[in-house]
Amino acid sequence: ETGVTQSPTHLIKTRGQQVTLRCSSQSGHNTVSWYQQALGQGPQFIFQYYREEENGRGNFPPRFSGLQFPNYSSELNVNALELDDSALYLCASSLDRQSTDTQYFGPGTRLTVL
Amino acid sequence: QKEVEQDPGPLSVPEGAIVSLNCTYSNSAFQYFMWYRQYSRKGPELLMYTYSSGNKEDGRFTAQVDKSSKYISLFIRDSQPSDSATYLCAMSDASGGSYIPTFGRGTSLIVHP
Repeated sequence: ETGVTQSPTHLIKTRGQQVTLRCSSQSGHNTVSWYQQALGQGPQFIFQYYREEENGRGNFPPRFSGLQFPNYSSELNVNALELDDSALYLCASSLDRQSTDTQYFGPGTRLTVL
Repeated sequence: QKEVEQDPGPLSVPEGAIVSLNCTYSNSAFQYFMWYRQYSRKGPELLMYTYSSGNKEDGRFTAQVDKSSKYISLFIRDSQPSDSATYLCAMSDASGGSYIPTFGRGTSLIVHP
């Protein structure tokens, strides 16, 4: 059983650019959630995908968008990058959207916006 | 006022000490309470999960929930240097079938030999 993987590990972008982050969910999991974790803060919920449809969204602007694919892997896209977007982006997969106790996090992608 | 408050620390203790980590919250609808451990440069790892009030024990770890006081705790007995990490509390309700957790900012724990 493979765990949650994310790519890339690190990324440096400049303000105004666009970025795509990728996540492969744990085998058998159909729900993926994305979080933003700023330095010294807890993870903030961005959105969740369940069976390829958005199933909830946190307080993030529309320039944060996502996709979930038929194999339940997922992408997070951020357009028009701002300096405050610098953070660790975490992906978590779970058995289904109600399985809070089986949410497994990936190692994250550290994004730096200059 | 944030929905979930957690002292960031750092909390420094000697090996073998009993550690107490705490969070307070304001949303009385929260029913599911979790503690995550996050090592440096890693994603959070679920340690304990509790539904509603009460205690739950797992090895050296004990989670307590007091819904009347809106206060949750994690106790670590016989702490080890390998317990040095950031501990995040998280909680959720089941509104609309969604169980999205709200996290505290984490408490940094250092256990020195």
